[in-house]
Amino acid sequence: EPEVTQTPSHQVTQMGQEVILRCVPISNHLYFYWYRQILGQKVEFLVSFYNNEISEKSEIFDDQFSVERPDGSNFTLKIRSTKLEDSAMYFCASSLASGGARNEQFFGPGTRLTVL
Amino acid sequence: GDSVTQMEGPVTLSEEAFLTINCTYTATGYPSLFWYVQYPGEGLQLLLKATKADDKGSNKGFEATYRKETTSFHLEKGSVQVSDSAVYFCALITTSGTYKYIFGTGTRLKVLA
Repeated sequence: EPEVTQTPSHQVTQMGQEVILRCVPISNHLYFYWYRQILGQKVEFLVSFYNNEISEKSEIFDDQFSVERPDGSNFTLKIRSTKLEDSAMYFCASSLASGGARNEQFFGPGTRLTVL
Repeated sequence: GDSVTQMEGPVTLSEEAFLTINCTYTATGYPSLFWYVQYPGEGLQLLLKATKADDKGSNKGFEATYRKETTSFHLEKGSVQVSDSAVYFCALITTSGTYKYIFGTGTRLKVLA
């Protein structure tokens, strides 16, 4: 069964460093998303991406964040200069359609980011 | 804006007890509703979903019915097992703009043998 994959599973970085989190969505999916879950809290939407551009971003997704689909398979989230409060689990998701009955999003296993 | 409210946890039950986790929502239109489960150290797994009013989603003994009149989607299981211990998230998918998920705060379930 096709699945969303994410690498690395755990990333440790120093405050101020740049990190890139990688995701491989399901191959025929067209819509891509990043969500964040700070430890013990709820999952929050960060950004959605379609047709090589951002469709919507949340207040959390400030200028330190960027997303890219550098080739036909990868979808990346970059944090330019990490802060302590960026420590969280980051989930990638993809969906075949945006609305209607096929709008279910499939989630990857997550990347745990720890900023020291 | 759209929102999801879940009952506070943690919920502690003995094995074979009946489980209910309450979930209510506020939304524009008629969103699809979901329950996700997160086991310790793992990602989000879809447990069940319902796409329209009166639909019942079910999986692995868990059930939830989409109640439009009460804007609810409560999760139930007749007999829980120790292996059901996890965090359960109720979620909706928005019906306008970008179709993004809105999650509840999660309810931690602990089942004792």
